[in-house]
Amino acid sequence: DQQVKQNSPSLSVQEGRISILNCDYTNSMFDYFLWYKKYPAEGPTFLISISSIKDKNEDGRFTVFLNKSAKHLSLHIVPSQPGDSAVYFCAGRGGTSYGKLTFGQGTILTVHP
Amino acid sequence: DAGVIQSPRHEVTEMGQEVTLRCKLISGHNSLFWYRQTMMRGLELLIYFNNNVPIDDSGMPEDRFSAKMPNASFSTLKIQPSEPRDSAVYFCASSFRGGGGDTQYFGPGTRLTVL
Repeated sequence: DQQVKQNSPSLSVQEGRISILNCDYTNSMFDYFLWYKKYPAEGPTFLISISSIKDKNEDGRFTVFLNKSAKHLSLHIVPSQPGDSAVYFCAGRGGTSYGKLTFGQGTILTVHP
Repeated sequence: DAGVIQSPRHEVTEMGQEVTLRCKLISGHNSLFWYRQTMMRGLELLIYFNNNVPIDDSGMPEDRFSAKMPNASFSTLKIQPSEPRDSAVYFCASSFRGGGGDTQYFGPGTRLTVL
């Protein structure tokens, strides 16, 4: 039972344009959603998060949108830069006391100069 | 500040051998998570601890896997005996459980190859 799904294994974007990464979830008990970025041979690093009571959170070039009725969230990167090329994971945090995260499969983003 | 430290970074072993992966938490963090990343299953949680106590080990694939936290800053993940299908990248992550988003900070990972 995959509670968090990233249906696009890869995305290719031109530098300067918008990158939109999508994520769907099934567990309505998630109270936080997080995006992590991962470069090769490194561990995932935290990028941005959103509480389930919000519908948007913005941090510089990165914005996360949450649509609870559709159980869908997306990460927008504007403008995209070649250094953004990485694997992006979305994760849902369960409504427990211990911060357990359930990750999606990841989307490989490639930003072309 | 030092981040999460994992050792070794790479491990190549033969089937049947014991493998021990090590993780040092960020100072002050009280939660520890072990993950495994494979092409087939993505990033999956194996086990997590809070204040040195194992909270959820439902992701541990088999009895061949065991994890411990002998103290508040250190953890080990042991595989005995190892099998080729255990080949993957193993990450540990730590966080401070105190409210908010409980951001997890990941180590660089250990790439395990079982021949």
